[in-house]
Amino acid sequence: QVQLVESGGGVVQPGGSLRLSCAASGFTFSTYGIQWVRQAPGKGLEWVAVISYDGSAKHFADSVRGRFTLSRDNSKNTLYLQMDSLRPEDTAVYYCAKESVVYHSGWYFDSWGQGTLVTVSS
Amino acid sequence: DIVLTQSPDTLSLSPGERATLSCRASQSVGSRYLAWYQQKPGQAPRLLIYHTSSRATGIPDRFSGSGSGTDFTLTISRLEPEDFAVYYCQQYGYSPPTTFGQGTKMEIK
Repeated sequence: QVQLVESGGGVVQPGGSLRLSCAASGFTFSTYGIQWVRQAPGKGLEWVAVISYDGSAKHFADSVRGRFTLSRDNSKNTLYLQMDSLRPEDTAVYYCAKESVVYHSGWYFDSWGQGTLVTVSS
Repeated sequence: DIVLTQSPDTLSLSPGERATLSCRASQSVGSRYLAWYQQKPGQAPRLLIYHTSSRATGIPDRFSGSGSGTDFTLTISRLEPEDFAVYYCQQYGYSPPTTFGQGTKMEIK
């Protein structure tokens, strides 16, 4: 079955960097866009970024644009979210989520990972 | 960006009752580009409804969605104990960015 496993979260000081990974299995990874959604403690869902199936198109929320970058390695079925210049307000559980339709980006998500917690604090 | 406003923020009901959750968009999201998710504590969200009214795989038929334009509704016909959770709507008609509502918490009365 479809499985998405995030890793790389942890505690980092303001201004620091982290790289999150999202390892996928159970579907043809190279044909689906992948999104990142985050959830601050006790808060709602906030969309962060999306990358197309082939990595050619990437979009970011205004709150992270210029600080976060996305890449994917379709040979390893893995997606990477590089987070630089981290701020306390970036503290959240970060989920990767699979697009619902092949070769499409920006629709609804039919599978989610379990999330990885990023804490930005001094 | 399209803003989604869910109401109420909290809904207190008893098992067996009918639940009606609302999601209103700041502008039209098209005829069907709205989804609903359920999230339980410590878990990732789970897709319930997509394209306004289509149930995701494995979702019981007590869950139904309706609406168009700017006003959408999630209805749970008879609440089961496992339905008490937080529910989010998401629009994807004008994406990116996709946007989520702030959530409705369904609690046991």
